[in-house]
Amino acid sequence: RKEVEQDPGPFNVPEGATVAFNCTYSNSASQSFFWYRQDCRKEPKLLMSVYSSGNEDGRFTAQLNRASQYISLLIRDSKLSDSATYLCVVNSDTGGFKTIFGAGTRLFVKA
Amino acid sequence: NAGVTQTPKFRVLKTGQSMTLLCAQDMNHEYMYWYRQDPGMGLRLIHYSVGEGTTAKGEVPDGYNVSRLKKQNFLLGLESAAPSQTSVYFCASREVSVEAFFGQGTRLTVV
Repeated sequence: RKEVEQDPGPFNVPEGATVAFNCTYSNSASQSFFWYRQDCRKEPKLLMSVYSSGNEDGRFTAQLNRASQYISLLIRDSKLSDSATYLCVVNSDTGGFKTIFGAGTRLFVKA
Repeated sequence: NAGVTQTPKFRVLKTGQSMTLLCAQDMNHEYMYWYRQDPGMGLRLIHYSVGEGTTAKGEVPDGYNVSRLKKQNFLLGLESAAPSQTSVYFCASREVSVEAFFGQGTRLTVV
């Protein structure tokens, strides 16, 4: 089983749609969680951190469920510019200080 | 605002040749990482370091060696390149419980 698992998609949605991505992680000792965005195999860039209380940044909402070891990202009112690959990222800062990436979920937003 | 710098950005090697990829960060981060990304796949951890003079194996370490002689530099070596090592290589650095920052990537082709 991979340490971080994501649905690879692709998700094809029209502009204005709401889309949700999910991610699960296997290491219960994981401590910090993030969503990154990656365009055309350029370097990944931080989209937002993820907290148990949930957090929102404009059209983006992230949520962490520690009990279920589950992370989500919700994008509202999708824009063409949201087309990218979204990567779920987990830091395990006990026993290794690893940063592990999910395989990514491809999103295509169409006019 | 250099952040994380990778050199070179592109390289073509012949099978059996050796090379070293350099990652340099100016943020005084303790933790540094090397990943590879193949088409349609996420980032897979090759090796990482939790401080100067330390290294550890990641998910796909075979065929690679690393060194962290100075805190700001993390070197990835290929002793005898193989076509299977054709990939995009990303370096990243971070501190405890915060997001990782990435270099722009090195596109390596082994022919």
